[in-house]
Amino acid sequence: DAGVIQSPRHEVTEMGQEVTLRCKPISGHDYLFWYRQTMMRGLELLIYFNNNVPIDDSGMPEDRFSAKMPNASFSTLKIQPSEPRDSAVYFCASRETGTNYGYTFGSGTRLTVV
Amino acid sequence: KQEVTQIPAALSVPEGENLVLNCSFTDSAIYNLQWFRQDPGKGLTSLLLIQSSQREQTSGRLNASLDKSSGRSTLYIAASQPGDSATYLCAVFNQAGTALIFGKGTTLSVSS
Repeated sequence: DAGVIQSPRHEVTEMGQEVTLRCKPISGHDYLFWYRQTMMRGLELLIYFNNNVPIDDSGMPEDRFSAKMPNASFSTLKIQPSEPRDSAVYFCASRETGTNYGYTFGSGTRLTVV
Repeated sequence: KQEVTQIPAALSVPEGENLVLNCSFTDSAIYNLQWFRQDPGKGLTSLLLIQSSQREQTSGRLNASLDKSSGRSTLYIAASQPGDSATYLCAVFNQAGTALIFGKGTTLSVSS
């Protein structure tokens, strides 16, 4: 199993540009989560999906952020327009249904908005 | 609202010492608790998962305990090594049983 795969690993963009982060969860995992990590706030949950359906997006900071999961093997997190304060590491994680299973995280995308 | 606190925020020890990292949570109605390791600039690696019905889990030199009634978990690292240097994160499944809530982590430095 290749684990949770995120792309790109690093992204540098100018303020105002659109940014799209991608995630491929582990096959068979029916939950997918997007987290953001900053020095000040640590790891924060942005949104999560169950069977491709968004369940809780209360952590999405503002309307500039959107996430989709068109199928069980792919999800995107889009920021439009991007701002310098969006600079952070964005992690995707997945897990199976049931409380006996832990989370598996991807390697993250380090986003820098200049 | 569930809050997770990790103490200390940073810890420096000489190689060979046994050490304990602490994690506390405000709402004891959790399902599971998971400890992660994060190396600088890297992702999160799962170390141990403790289900709510369990009191501890062990993996090699690591032992994690869970006391739901007091809202506490500890991660015990035996015979620490320089390779153990990393940030250790504690996370709990919230009341909905799905989303992990993280502490800010303890950054461990083991000197040789």
